[in-house]
Amino acid sequence: QSALTQPASVSGSPGQSITISCTGTSSDVGGYNYVSWYQQHPGKAPKLMIYDVSNRPSGVSNRFSGSKSGNTASLTISGLQAEDEADYYCSSYTSSSTLRYVFGTGTKVTVL
Amino acid sequence: QLQLQESGPGLVKPSETLSLTCTVSGGSISSSSYYWGWIRQPPGKGLEWIGSIYYSGSTYYNPSLKSRVTISVDTSKNQFSLKLSSVTAADTAVYYCARHLSGFDPWGQGTLVTVSS
Repeated sequence: QSALTQPASVSGSPGQSITISCTGTSSDVGGYNYVSWYQQHPGKAPKLMIYDVSNRPSGVSNRFSGSKSGNTASLTISGLQAEDEADYYCSSYTSSSTLRYVFGTGTKVTVL
Repeated sequence: QLQLQESGPGLVKPSETLSLTCTVSGGSISSSSYYWGWIRQPPGKGLEWIGSIYYSGSTYYNPSLKSRVTISVDTSKNQFSLKLSSVTAADTAVYYCARHLSGFDPWGQGTLVTVSS
């Protein structure tokens, strides 16, 4: 059960849009619409930003959006703001026979 | 508003068993359709799913930890617990509990457990 692959870092200027990729296999990302994304600020617990590939929980800014194509899921942050600087992790359900999850390697987002 | 809080020893000796409890407030752990999970994060590293339990007691574990992990639930106390046996320094991490269906939400604040003699 290998971790999903994310770029180590992504950066952008305020107001720009950035996209973080999350690559897995047909056994996880590609096989189920159960991809979620988390934002984690230093010293804090992760916060759910996107669930079921593209759904936003109540209270999460509509600047955050998710999508999936094949074995790769993506998180897009539009109108980048200083407060978006954080670590981001994807996660996917990964089994047809039992409950099982895998997380991504994590991406550090820097607002220039 | 549902809240989760981890508790347990912050220091565990190598080869011993790590034991943590997650107390749920603002809602019932017996709510149907939700699972209750444990996730850990070694210092400076990424997240790792440890395992989850359904309120009925059905358990699901990360295959890489399955031989050492036990997750249980106490509905009378609105708590669920984690036991990780035969710990080594590699088990040093912040341990989080969280409710989940497809996404993990909410999370507890996390508790640092250090494995050291």
